[in-house]
Amino acid sequence: SAVISQKPSRDICQRGTSLTIQCQVDSQVTMMFWYRQQPGQSLTLIATANQGSEATYESGFVIDKFPISRPNLTFSTLTVSNMSPEDSSIYLCSVDVPPQHFGDGTRLSIL
Amino acid sequence: RKEVEQDPGPFNVPEGATVAFNCTYSNSASQSFFWYRQDCRKEPKLLMSVYSSGNEDGRFTAQLNRASQYISLLIRDSKLSDSATYLCAVNKPPGNTDKLIFGTGTRLQVFP
Repeated sequence: SAVISQKPSRDICQRGTSLTIQCQVDSQVTMMFWYRQQPGQSLTLIATANQGSEATYESGFVIDKFPISRPNLTFSTLTVSNMSPEDSSIYLCSVDVPPQHFGDGTRLSIL
Repeated sequence: RKEVEQDPGPFNVPEGATVAFNCTYSNSASQSFFWYRQDCRKEPKLLMSVYSSGNEDGRFTAQLNRASQYISLLIRDSKLSDSATYLCAVNKPPGNTDKLIFGTGTRLQVFP
């Protein structure tokens, strides 16, 4: 299976700021996914990131709040913009090897 | 109705017990099914895919019932190290897309 690295592993941010999370894979993959896991909840898919095209967002998630980049087949970023305490969550990227395997997540706390 | 539903548990079982989890899904067009294991404060890790004919991996057996739209996971001879949350995942139609919908997870606690 692929080795998936996320940075940062955790962060504490002030409300109103933005944070960009990086996801690096050790092999080329077509599809990368970004999920959110709020405390005590399951995973919710935010968007699908394909190289060379705009990300596809799920219902309830918009590009202005969660802009995504996918510059090549091994890398993607997710930005959480204008953060509020409700954005406190674990953010996970995954790649479809297949099936999907996850990075170790970014634990985000908003003060 | 939620797209994927699981009993949250917790299931508290003694070592050596057999325990089974079910997971129901709402869309009959789903074609891919998986069980993931998530340890506390860790990312989900794939436990096994679920095939139409059922499949076994050591102490773990997964089954699919398309007519009733559920998948199951059976763990035999439970070990302390099996304590974790077990998430089922179902692909999101149309077609056999790669998007997955996750259940809320079932927590298992195995005690000595």
